[in-house]
Amino acid sequence: EAAVTQSPRNKVAVTGGKVTLSCNQTNNHNNMYWYRQDTGHGLRLIHYSYGAGSTEKGDIPDGYKASRPSQENFSLILELATPSQTSVYFCASGGRLGGPQDTQYFGPGTRLLVL
Amino acid sequence: QQKVQQSPESLSVPEGGMASLNCTSSDRNFQYFWWYRQHSGEGPKALMSIFSDGDKKEGRFTAHLNKASLHVSLHIRDSQPSDSALYFCAARMTNSAGNKLTFGIGTRVLVRP
Repeated sequence: EAAVTQSPRNKVAVTGGKVTLSCNQTNNHNNMYWYRQDTGHGLRLIHYSYGAGSTEKGDIPDGYKASRPSQENFSLILELATPSQTSVYFCASGGRLGGPQDTQYFGPGTRLLVL
Repeated sequence: QQKVQQSPESLSVPEGGMASLNCTSSDRNFQYFWWYRQHSGEGPKALMSIFSDGDKKEGRFTAHLNKASLHVSLHIRDSQPSDSALYFCAARMTNSAGNKLTFGIGTRVLVRP
């Protein structure tokens, strides 16, 4: 199964501070994704990427930036963190086949608390 | 309104019993479906995919798809305590940019010993 790792696993930040969440995948998948999970909302897509150098807005991009410097790495950046961004964040990768039947594989998540 | 709706919100079944989860999409462009399972403190893990009408069985898990009624279901036979988890239905449209998935809000399953 695809290996997706995330760091840090837990993060406490202050309001107005900058937060960077990192994701790494070792399966040469083209597509990578950032989601947040909140009770009552399920998983919501923040940003995604087709490959190195590409970032695209998902369904809830406001307040977030993304960076894909290489095939393996995809970062989520909160320039000015707010308490409403307290959540659990998941990175996923997919795209080995390149078609609509590709499965997404998720990392273990980062729990972010913004005080 | 959620584009992918799941029911029930929570479900309690006895060990060895059958758990049945439902998922309905509101858009006929959703053509590809997955069930994901998430144990507490972990990331979601793909359990099954189903792309054609009918049943798909993998071990104790059976998924059923009816595209005409936009309905997908998951049945867990001989439920085990390890099946206690949050289950997500996820759907993808044909020609979805970036192969994006749309998730339901989940069904929490508790298997009682």
